[in-house]
Amino acid sequence: SQTIHQWPATLVQPVGSPLSLECTVEGTSNPNLYWYRQAAGRGLQLLFYSVGIGQISSEVPQNLSASRPQDRQFILSSKKLLLSDSGFYLCAWTRTGLGVAFFGQGTRLTVV
Amino acid sequence: DQQVKQNSPSLSVQEGRISILNCDYTNSMFDYFLWYKKYPAEGPTFLISISSIKDKNEDGRFTVFLNKSAKHLSLHIVPSQPGDSAVYFCAASETGGSYIPTFGRGTSLIVHP
Repeated sequence: SQTIHQWPATLVQPVGSPLSLECTVEGTSNPNLYWYRQAAGRGLQLLFYSVGIGQISSEVPQNLSASRPQDRQFILSSKKLLLSDSGFYLCAWTRTGLGVAFFGQGTRLTVV
Repeated sequence: DQQVKQNSPSLSVQEGRISILNCDYTNSMFDYFLWYKKYPAEGPTFLISISSIKDKNEDGRFTVFLNKSAKHLSLHIVPSQPGDSAVYFCAASETGGSYIPTFGRGTSLIVHP
């Protein structure tokens, strides 16, 4: 069976510090991978998606970036966090051709 | 511009009654629709889906109805249980396109005992 792991679960970072959130998927190959953010009172906003190694598409311009160094690994990064980067970050995957997304447990990021 | 809209941020229902959560979409290319359930501090979990070739899909207490002409779908939960209390997200995707699920803002359902 397929599983998705996302860590850390919670993170408190000062403004201006770097960020690295990691997500890995097990039990499948060549998944489509996604980073979403849920800000307070908002829905799930798509930040980045990837259809393959090294292929990243950005949906929202911001100071975040994403990378996919391996087939089942997806990383969300920032060089300098802003207060507005606080939120609940979710990694997800889908199989190509199937619209059901499976989510990780999420990371609660608080920028102070 | 929101392509998937959930206009009710919250819904309160008595245990045993029916819960109806609504969702509207604007993109006529969407042909696959999903509902997710989310508890606080957890990732959303897939609940039920429907393809645009159908107008109804049922799974136990959960039924999703799709009205393509109105670009509207709804999730019915019968009977509602306190454990159903969560945020419900509607999502839509284009199976002939990028398959990227586009989500609504969610509806918080509270089921009172």
